[in-house]
Amino acid sequence: AQKVTQAQTEISVVEKEDVTLDCVYETRDTTYYLFWYKQPPSGELVFLIRRNSFDEQNEISGRYSWNFQKSTSSFNFTITASQVVDSAVYFCALSESEYGNKLVFGAGTILRVKS
Amino acid sequence: DTGVSQDPRHKITKRGQNVTFRCDPISEHNRLYWYRQTLGQGPEFLTYFQNEAQLEKSRLLSDRFSAERPKGSFSTLEIQRTEQGDSAMYLCASSSGTSGFHTQYFGPGTRLTVL
Repeated sequence: AQKVTQAQTEISVVEKEDVTLDCVYETRDTTYYLFWYKQPPSGELVFLIRRNSFDEQNEISGRYSWNFQKSTSSFNFTITASQVVDSAVYFCALSESEYGNKLVFGAGTILRVKS
Repeated sequence: DTGVSQDPRHKITKRGQNVTFRCDPISEHNRLYWYRQTLGQGPEFLTYFQNEAQLEKSRLLSDRFSAERPKGSFSTLEIQRTEQGDSAMYLCASSSGTSGFHTQYFGPGTRLTVL
């Protein structure tokens, strides 16, 4: 069965520090997608990135970067020079190949960025 | 494009009452998903529609829950005889396409409190 583990329940950093959020997944599928979503205090899940299982290139978008390693079944997310506005709950998710590609989410990591 | 909208945003009800939530997906999105999120957890899949057809239901969706998408546009989720354990955030998401992987975009959610 598919499973996503985010071992870090909560992380606190001071503004401008770099922070990495860990995500480990399990799946029997050979074709799958991985996602990161941000959930600010308002509650709405905001899509950040999607990666497919055949593309292991790391990706950078502004202060955000993602490291996908199939060998360790990990899809880690790094925020460089964190800002207070980055404070939110971050979810890693795995999309199954069946059932309409429903998402299986991790438990989330609460990120608190202090000024 | 307007995003996914949900109504109401908050609902407080007494145990045993019926409640109904509405979700309006992004225009022309074929797929619509319902998830439930309890405090401190990631969202859990409940059901999904492709156009008006409900194609998959989770075991979490007991007989007291029913979802519809009558014209392939908006969807409703009804909970009959609510229980305190139904208290959660109910999230709706939509995606385009009828096959393959497509990113799901989420609405702001409906927070249900059962007293």
